[in-house]
Amino acid sequence: EAGVAQSPRYKIIEKRQSVAFWCNPISGHATLYWYQQILGQGPKLLIQFQNNGVVDDSQLPKDRFSAERLKGVDSTLKIQPAKLEDSAVYLCASSSLGPYNEQFFGPGTRLTVL
Amino acid sequence: DQQVKQNSPSLSVQEGRISILNCDYTNSMFDYFLWYKKYPAEGPTFLISISSIKDKNEDGRFTVFLNKSAKHLSLHIVPSQPGDSAVYFCAASAAAGGGADGLTFGKGTHLIIQP
Repeated sequence: EAGVAQSPRYKIIEKRQSVAFWCNPISGHATLYWYQQILGQGPKLLIQFQNNGVVDDSQLPKDRFSAERLKGVDSTLKIQPAKLEDSAVYLCASSSLGPYNEQFFGPGTRLTVL
Repeated sequence: DQQVKQNSPSLSVQEGRISILNCDYTNSMFDYFLWYKKYPAEGPTFLISISSIKDKNEDGRFTVFLNKSAKHLSLHIVPSQPGDSAVYFCAASAAAGGGADGLTFGKGTHLIIQP
């Protein structure tokens, strides 16, 4: 079974530029999550999708971050414009439906904002 | 306000001995707890979980204990092996709401297994 795929793996941009990350979840997983992991911290949930609908985006900085899940499969996360404090690893995870299912994580995209 | 706390940033254990990683939580709504293992430049990998109706779950060398009254859980690894050297994250969710829930993570504990 193929795992969660993410691209790019690394991205370096200057502040005020825009950037987008892509995620392809495990086939058949209805739920998709984006997390932000700042150095020295645990991952923090940004947004959760179930199929192509948003379940929870309460911690997403909506003035600069946006996300969509196309046709309930792939997802993109965008930052526009980026700030220095957005430097982090952005992790995508997916899980099957149900409250007690573990989440499977992709390798992450390491973003550096200069 | 940190709802999931891992108070030991690092832990060094001799190969073959027991590793005990601790985690505390504050949110009484949490009812499902997971441990993830993370190697550098990789995403977290699921290790073991426990729901709040249990106080122990075992999977091979890994056992998780949950003390609901103390809002404390621990991960025991016996015996510890060199490949266990990694960062371990404790995570929690309020899953009983009916749907899959986003996880709240601790800051992680870096486990180092000494030969």
